[in-house]
Amino acid sequence: GQQVMQIPQYQHVQEGEDFTTYCNSSTTLSNIQWYKQRPGGHPVFLIQLVKSGEVKKQKRLTFQFGEAKKNSSLHITATQTTDVGTYFCAGLGGFFSSGSARQLTFGSGTQLTVLP
Amino acid sequence: GAVVSQHPSWVICKSGTSVKIECRSLDFQATTMFWYRQFPKQSLMLMATSNEGSKATYEQGVEKDKFLINHASLTLSTLTVTSAHPEDSSFYICSARIRGFDQTQYFGPGTRLLVL
Repeated sequence: GQQVMQIPQYQHVQEGEDFTTYCNSSTTLSNIQWYKQRPGGHPVFLIQLVKSGEVKKQKRLTFQFGEAKKNSSLHITATQTTDVGTYFCAGLGGFFSSGSARQLTFGSGTQLTVLP
Repeated sequence: GAVVSQHPSWVICKSGTSVKIECRSLDFQATTMFWYRQFPKQSLMLMATSNEGSKATYEQGVEKDKFLINHASLTLSTLTVTSAHPEDSSFYICSARIRGFDQTQYFGPGTRLLVL
């Protein structure tokens, strides 16, 4: 089945440093989504990338989708303490053989700690 | 918009009892809802996909007789953990997808289950 790998598992940075998390899928994806989960909270949708090679920005966050639609990255410039949390990528694959709803496969997440 | 609620947020029960968790889309119709389980410091694992008016599709390794899913309306899906045991203790999160072509999933706040 579809697998989505994410690295690193943990990242500690000083406030102001940059941060990047990478996501790789074993299969070509229809799209990729990114979520942030604060400690004790639930995943919150950040963005969706659909097109090959797509790059989207949200303030200090830059999201990229690879040309082959199998990998993606999230880069945060000049991290702040409010960026603390676990960032998950989630790949949307193809349809089940039965034709039922497509499912998201989540990466293992990258837990970001920002030291003040 | 696109708010998903879950009830209860916390539940502690004795081993052998059944627990029902509700997932509601508050301001939209959700033809498809998803149930995930998340263990501490781990990623979200999809348990089942719930389609309104039809039987849920369970992921491999998830016992459908243990985790009963009912999606009786376009705004409500329920997950019942039957005869719960301590190993069922986890964070259960539902998500819902807005009717239509948008593949974004909106997550509920989750339910923490502790089975004693």
